[in-house]
Amino acid sequence: GQGVEQPAKLMSVEGTFARVNCTYSTSGFNGLSWYQQREGQAPVFLSYVVLDGLKDSGHFSTFLSRSNGYSYLLLTELQIKDSASYLCAVRNTGKLTFGDGTVLTVKP
Amino acid sequence: NSKVIQTPRYLVKGQGQKAKMRCIPEKGHPVVFWYQQNKNNEFKFLINFQNQEVLQQIDMTEKRFSAECPSNSPCSLEIQSSEAGDSALYLCASSPNTEVFFGKGTRLTVV
Repeated sequence: GQGVEQPAKLMSVEGTFARVNCTYSTSGFNGLSWYQQREGQAPVFLSYVVLDGLKDSGHFSTFLSRSNGYSYLLLTELQIKDSASYLCAVRNTGKLTFGDGTVLTVKP
Repeated sequence: NSKVIQTPRYLVKGQGQKAKMRCIPEKGHPVVFWYQQNKNNEFKFLINFQNQEVLQQIDMTEKRFSAECPSNSPCSLEIQSSEAGDSALYLCASSPNTEVFFGKGTRLTVV
């Protein structure tokens, strides 16, 4: 069936990095987006990838491997305020299919 | 930063009442989406439009929900007869082609 999977939780330490993984199995693929969502707020767009490889956008970088149905969001030089839910969403057949999100907790 | 505008931010309705929310997509974005995010933070796709025409919609949307995206007017999503299970965050998003940008949402509470 169609699905987007993410780990539910991730914990890391301020000043280090965190890698949020996403695997997908969909009937079509027109790109993958990452969003940040804080409690009670709407998702904020972070990145969109459609080609394989690493896309470096400074604090947030994204990697995609279409043959493996795999992407990750890499956050470097973590700050406490990076604590939030990170959503992976695959664009296919015209709409976005979301994962359930990974709650990242950044500890001092 | 997203320029999608949703109103109202909060909406409280009794069961059986109509609930209507509006969305102004970002200028130049031909595609508009509506999603429902429940209390477990799960996203449910409701409907999408391209240039005022419905592209896709789910069963629930066909039966109890009505939505439109007229030209030169805000898009809207209306629940004809609200049920307790409709309490959720309703997110409107627009897209120029590939990236999708969300508004701040309308939080509906059905009491």
